[in-house]
Amino acid sequence: EVQLVESGGGVVRPGGSRRLSCATSGFNFDDHAMSWVRQGPGKGLEWVSGINWNGDSTGYADAVKGRFTVSRDNAKNLLYLQMNSLRAEDSALYYCATYPGSSAGAEYVQDWGRGTLVIVSS
Amino acid sequence: QSALTQEASVSGTVGQKVTLSCAGSRNNIGSYDVGWYQQISHGRPKTVMLGNSLPSGIPDRFSASKSGTTAYLTISGLQPEDEADYYCSTWDFRVSGVVFGGGTKLTVL
Repeated sequence: EVQLVESGGGVVRPGGSRRLSCATSGFNFDDHAMSWVRQGPGKGLEWVSGINWNGDSTGYADAVKGRFTVSRDNAKNLLYLQMNSLRAEDSALYYCATYPGSSAGAEYVQDWGRGTLVIVSS
Repeated sequence: QSALTQEASVSGTVGQKVTLSCAGSRNNIGSYDVGWYQQISHGRPKTVMLGNSLPSGIPDRFSASKSGTTAYLTISGLQPEDEADYYCSTWDFRVSGVVFGGGTKLTVL
């Protein structure tokens, strides 16, 4: 069974930084591209970032480009999201998700974690 | 403003067939497959369609189709447990990223 467990959320001040992690199990991590998707309070789903199977190809939504960095450690089956220069509008539940294949250019995600909540507030 | 447009709300009765739509453009739905997701009571999303394929464990009353730049999710034989928010997604080559629809709230009467 695929398991994705996010951690690292919390309250952070505007302009601050936070690193999210996603611990994975139940599948061959290095066979799959991975993604971060967020959901603001009362809002819909928003794609944040994607990374291919070996980390040498990444993509970001315009809203986070230049501030967020996605990475992965295939030896530890871990996915990360480094978030810098955080803004109030970044407050959201951040989900880790798998892509069906190894490319980050996929149209949809397959499995989802339960999310970790980030609140940006002074 | 989402790149993909979904109905804000749709309702149906138990046993009815309902179809949700997801309208896009040549940049996205017109060029790529579409995924569909179910979110019950703001819980963890669940993928109910990967293109035209049903993920393991999803009942076959769910099906998907596409015509031009609009995608559709059809639920045949609506069940009370199908009441949820439904989102669509696809790739958009103009933004080089995944785009989601704003979501449709499906109510089972």
